[in-house]
Amino acid sequence: GEDVEQSLFLSVREGDSSVINCTYTDSSSTYLYWYKQEPGAGLQLLTYIFSNMDMKQDQRLTVLLNKKDKHLSLRIADTQTGDSAIYFCAERIYDMRFGAGTRLTVKP
Amino acid sequence: ETGVTQTPRHLVMGMTNKKSLKCEQHLGHNAMYWYKQSAKKPLELMFVYSLEERVENNSVPSRFSPECPNSSHLFLHLHTLQPEDSALYLCASSQEASGGSGELFFGEGSRLTVL
Repeated sequence: GEDVEQSLFLSVREGDSSVINCTYTDSSSTYLYWYKQEPGAGLQLLTYIFSNMDMKQDQRLTVLLNKKDKHLSLRIADTQTGDSAIYFCAERIYDMRFGAGTRLTVKP
Repeated sequence: ETGVTQTPRHLVMGMTNKKSLKCEQHLGHNAMYWYKQSAKKPLELMFVYSLEERVENNSVPSRFSPECPNSSHLFLHLHTLQPEDSALYLCASSQEASGGSGELFFGEGSRLTVL
């Protein structure tokens, strides 16, 4: 497809792991990104991964990249209520192309 | 101040008004962007300026007019808008360099309501 695709909603219980999935469009994308948007705020860069990497870990966040399937995922360990937000996947070819965002709801 | 700041945070205007959105980046970046975020289309790229030259205009109506007087400042001038232009307008900046990671840094956005 031509769009960066993400599921629109994800709901998890506090303390569980969250996995947000994304399918991107272009195998020549050099960098792939995850952004977080809290209500009433702009987008905050969470992490990014270079296309020659398979995995990147940063504290509670783990990014997995499957270049063959053009699949990117973000795993949040020990999800907290403060993680409730919209998460955007993005790829960079010439310009930045964003998915529609996944709304993560964390229930106590 | 650090990062990317946008003013005003909220704006209500009538269809015949003229207003401007302002963005300032304190990161030393050489590229700035305007995005529109609405329920219909989550993130639409409107304008890109690199080294103060406009490099992309994604078929945005002429009632939106960008201005980039220097690498730190970006404006979006608004004139005779329509109610469907109500949205969150996000400014972003990046450092464009060969081999760089090119991530965008966003401001908090300006919430525009057109009556």
